Amino acid sequence: GAVVSQHPSRVICKSGTSVKIECRSLDFQATTMFWYRQFPKQSLMLMATSNEGSKATYEQGVEKDKFLINHASLTLSTLTVTSAHPEDSSFYICSARVGRELETQYFGPGTRLLVL
Amino acid sequence: QKEVEQNSGPLSVPEGAIASLNCTYSDRGSQSFFWYRQYSGKSPELIMSIYSNGDKEDGRFTAQLNKASQYVSLLIRDSQPSDSATYLCAGNTGGFKTIFGAGTRLFVKA
Repeated sequence: GAVVSQHPSRVICKSGTSVKIECRSLDFQATTMFWYRQFPKQSLMLMATSNEGSKATYEQGVEKDKFLINHASLTLSTLTVTSAHPEDSSFYICSARVGRELETQYFGPGTRLLVL
Repeated sequence: QKEVEQNSGPLSVPEGAIASLNCTYSDRGSQSFFWYRQYSGKSPELIMSIYSNGDKEDGRFTAQLNKASQYVSLLIRDSQPSDSATYLCAGNTGGFKTIFGAGTRLFVKA
């Protein structure tokens, strides 16, 4: 299967700082990347969908100015959590997809964010 | 609201038994479906994809799709303790968005 990496795997930061998470598709070009958030013992929550070279589409209730997404190339998308607060502490997971309707999403290993 | 519904479980089966996981979806336009396994603290990993009505087998796993009933299932034969995880059902909608179910927790008792 396709490989998706995320960096960093774990980050601890102080409240008010910004954190950038990178998502890379290592052996394929991803037309679309997705960012999810998952709180303990809860299901995946889609935050936004990004297509290379265009603005991300955010899900209802997700603040686009707080969660900045840049999909600069077909292999790289970044999520920046700006002015992080303790309630932003969560497991952030990206996924990448090659095509559109039938194609599978491949998940990165996730980034665990803890905001103190 | 397009939805994918799963029983949250937990589903508990003895080692060696068949585990049956079920999922229903609301969007009749959905064409492709997926089962992911997620271990605690890890991200989901793809187990199976299925696009056509009927069964699709891969090792100990069999996915079943019934578009008329809007039903997807995953059978795990000869269940092992290492199969204990949360299983996510997902479907791609006509709008090319993937909708995930909340997941079913499976426990395989040794």
